[in-house]
Amino acid sequence: DTGVSQNPRHKITKRGQNVTFRCDPISEHNRLYWYRQTLGQGPEFLTYFQNEAQLEKSRLLSDRFSAERPKGSFSTLEIQRTEQGDSAMYLCASSLTTSGIYEQYFGPGTRLTVT
Amino acid sequence: AQRVTQPEKLLSVFKGAPVELKCNYSYSGSPELFWYVQYSRQRLQLLLRHISRESIKGFTADLNKGETSFHLKKPFAQEEDSAMYYCALRGSQGNLIFGKGTKLSVKP
Repeated sequence: DTGVSQNPRHKITKRGQNVTFRCDPISEHNRLYWYRQTLGQGPEFLTYFQNEAQLEKSRLLSDRFSAERPKGSFSTLEIQRTEQGDSAMYLCASSLTTSGIYEQYFGPGTRLTVT
Repeated sequence: AQRVTQPEKLLSVFKGAPVELKCNYSYSGSPELFWYVQYSRQRLQLLLRHISRESIKGFTADLNKGETSFHLKKPFAQEEDSAMYYCALRGSQGNLIFGKGTKLSVKP
């Protein structure tokens, strides 16, 4: 297992287009988190899944943002009608809660640029 | 409100000098705190957690509930310690609440 992977690593899109990012967590990790990081800031929590259940949505930045984890494995984050303010690094992290440790392992991120 | 504050954006020291990266938090309840590090062109990774009371790469951090602080310390900085350091607090949903980060630069 090579750790958490994210695709694509970079995405350039025009304002108004829809984009989708994928996150593959460490296998058997039951929790998956999405964060957004803008320049000069720490990562900001967006949403998370326990297996396939999305347990927190209220931190998603607007109704243009949605996330899924259909089979409790990989997850996708979609942004509809992108705006320039959506330009940021989108990070995914996974953890295994049954270990009692709750350490989150981060992916390399997807850098989104909206022109 | 749950918040993490890292007052220094940049900390520059010479090799062999002591390092202290400051972190203060706001949390009602028993906090769980972490330090994450991001080396150049690498992903964010856990450096240490307060409950382990461990020393990793010579770094230690002690939770001071009275001062609501979790400062990261190392007695003798090395050039390979140059990186971005983030203090984080575990939120009520297991999510991490990060500070803005401190860039540590260790000069030869």
